[in-house]
Amino acid sequence: EAGVVQSPRYKIIEKKQPVAFWCNPISGHNTLYWYRQNLGQGPELLIRYENEEAVDDSQLPKDRFSAERLKGVDSTLKIQPAELGDSAVYLCASSFQWAYNEQFFGPGTRLTVL
Amino acid sequence: AQRVTQPEKLLSVFKGAPVELKCNYSYSGSPELFWYVQYSRQRLQLLLRHISRESIKGFTADLNKGETSFHLKKPFAQEEDSAMYYCAVQGAQKLVFGQGTRLTINP
Repeated sequence: EAGVVQSPRYKIIEKKQPVAFWCNPISGHNTLYWYRQNLGQGPELLIRYENEEAVDDSQLPKDRFSAERLKGVDSTLKIQPAELGDSAVYLCASSFQWAYNEQFFGPGTRLTVL
Repeated sequence: AQRVTQPEKLLSVFKGAPVELKCNYSYSGSPELFWYVQYSRQRLQLLLRHISRESIKGFTADLNKGETSFHLKKPFAQEEDSAMYYCAVQGAQKLVFGQGTRLTINP
C-alpha cells in the first residue's frame, strides 16, 4: 500500500505564476482533504471532498485557489496567481467516508513563491 | 469554533527523563482529541486518540474536560521520540491542529 501520493514534492515559482498540486488518495477512501501548513504552524483545512462533492470549502481563498476531484478519486489543487504568502506545505489526506478521526496524510508539496 | 493551543514550540529533555507535551483546547461540544506525530522526513501520522485510552510507544494522554487539556506524557523518553508533535481536536466534521511542539531528546 503506497499510502496517499502527492506530486510534486517541491515546487519553486515566481509570484503571479500558476501552480497545481496533485493528490491520489488511498484506494477506497471516499473523503479527501487538502490542508495548508505554514511554517511553524499546524495544518489548516482548505477543502474537504466527499466523493466528487466539495462539502467544506469555507477556508479556501476562492479568489485564487480552486480544487477539483472530477471522478471522486484523485484531486488537483490550483493557485492562480500565486502570491508570496502562499509559500507553505500543502498536504493531502484521505479517509473512509465520515471517518474524520482517522485521516491518512500524504508527504506534502512544499511550495516556495519567490 | 474549535481551537488548540500548544504553549511550547520547543521542548528538550534528556534520554530517560519524563516528557510532558501540553495541549489545551476549546470546543463547545463533546470533542475528540488526538495527538499526531511527524518524525524527520516522514509524513504526519496519528499517534493516539483519547477515546482509545491506549498507550502507543509508551505515550499516554488523558482528557481533562475540567481543564480542557489533553497533555501527552511518557515516563522515560527515548532518542527516537524526537519529532514534531501536534495536538488536534475534532468537532463539526473537521480536525483543527495546534501549532506543534518540537521535541528533542538529548543523549
